Amino acid sequence: DTAVSQTPKYLVTQMGNDKSIKCEQNLGHDTMYWYKQDSKKFLKIMFSYNNKELIINETVPNRFSPKSPDKAHLNLHINSLELGDSAVYFCASSPQTTYEQYFGPGTRLTVT
Amino acid sequence: DQQVKQNSPSLSVQEGRISILNCDYTNSMFDYFLWYKKYPAEGPTFLISISSIKDKNEDGRFTVFLNKSAKHLSLHIVPSQPGDSAVYFCAASANFGNEKLTFGTGTRLTIIP
Repeated sequence: DTAVSQTPKYLVTQMGNDKSIKCEQNLGHDTMYWYKQDSKKFLKIMFSYNNKELIINETVPNRFSPKSPDKAHLNLHINSLELGDSAVYFCASSPQTTYEQYFGPGTRLTVT
Repeated sequence: DQQVKQNSPSLSVQEGRISILNCDYTNSMFDYFLWYKKYPAEGPTFLISISSIKDKNEDGRFTVFLNKSAKHLSLHIVPSQPGDSAVYFCAASANFGNEKLTFGTGTRLTIIP
């Protein structure tokens, strides 16, 4: 009964391809996030959605498009993948009234 | 511009002793601070938090201290156990409802049996 799940766990693809990462939470939380952890281990927020509405968009290239079909899901679609997109991507969720975020296991994306 | 800094990339502590992990921040608007623990190939898990209206918060073996004037916080783990070996991230947030967390780069703690 995983609280925040992500698929796939590993993703290897070539430059120029389009790929998606899926995230689901079964905690009943209102807010979901995408984070990127780069090679320097810096964990940085990319997007935040609250009840399917975008509330944070942190200077992320528009090749990255989050999609929230319902408040339990937040998927990340990436167009025209570049080498610099290689990183670990974490999904997270939180109840609306707390800072405490619950993270998924991460998706390691490798662009060759 | 790194607003949350963990200047020690790694720390080794003998089992049973105290582990002290440090974190500094530069943004005076931060008013809520959290510590996360991360094992390899897993996502970060929430450990403990503190609001800027307090200077100490304790939860079992874990205590977080906040020094607002120095813009410094620390996590104490007593006694340290082998299962505490992990990467610890400090995080901070500016105002309730913003929910944007700014993370430090982490400190890898190794507990020596």
